[in-house]
Amino acid sequence: AQSVAQPEDQVNVAEGNPLTVKCTYSVSGNPYLFWYVQYPNRGLQFLLKYITGDNLVKGSYGFEAEFNKSQTSFHLKKPSALVSDSALYFCAVRAGYNFNKFYFGSGTKLNVKP
Amino acid sequence: EAGVVQSPRYKIIEKKQPVAFWCNPISGHNTLYWYLQNLGQGPELLIRYENEEAVDDSQLPKDRFSAERLKGVDSTLKIQPAELGDSAVYLCASSQDGTSGIHEQFFGPGTRLTVL
Repeated sequence: AQSVAQPEDQVNVAEGNPLTVKCTYSVSGNPYLFWYVQYPNRGLQFLLKYITGDNLVKGSYGFEAEFNKSQTSFHLKKPSALVSDSALYFCAVRAGYNFNKFYFGSGTKLNVKP
Repeated sequence: EAGVVQSPRYKIIEKKQPVAFWCNPISGHNTLYWYLQNLGQGPELLIRYENEEAVDDSQLPKDRFSAERLKGVDSTLKIQPAELGDSAVYLCASSQDGTSGIHEQFFGPGTRLTVL
């Protein structure tokens, strides 16, 4: 079955430290990959995407993600975490014929402590 | 630029009652999505429209759920009758897909439905 996995329900990091939120996927073909962030009582906000090209993608708010085809991973990273980065992060994949299938991970809660 | 607008933001109803959610996508976005998000989970696609055509409604429980996107702009999602298990957040999203490629989705704030 095709799926997206975010193996960590929660990630805790101290402010100023680097952070990584993990995502792996299992889909057929070459997917498009996305990261979204969700703050309480808000809709999801787009952070970044990988379509093709350079495996390291830079996005909003200093976030970046690295596409690794051999490991089928798309981990989200930031060199220096801020308390305001605390939120729920979702990895999403678009795949299938004509990219008409949508899969979201279950989300990872990021806690950045001062 | 205005974002995706959804209303109402919150709705509490008793089971077996009907309920409707409304979504106004970002101007010019041809693709509109309705998702269901349960607590602690990622969004699950219910239906996707390209302009006024429902191109994927395979995950929509058609015995009680219906949707429409008249004129290819606003959309309404209806549940009739609602069941206790329908309590969730219903998200609407839009994107500008087409010959220029696949683009990210923009999400509305969602409607939190509670069925008592």
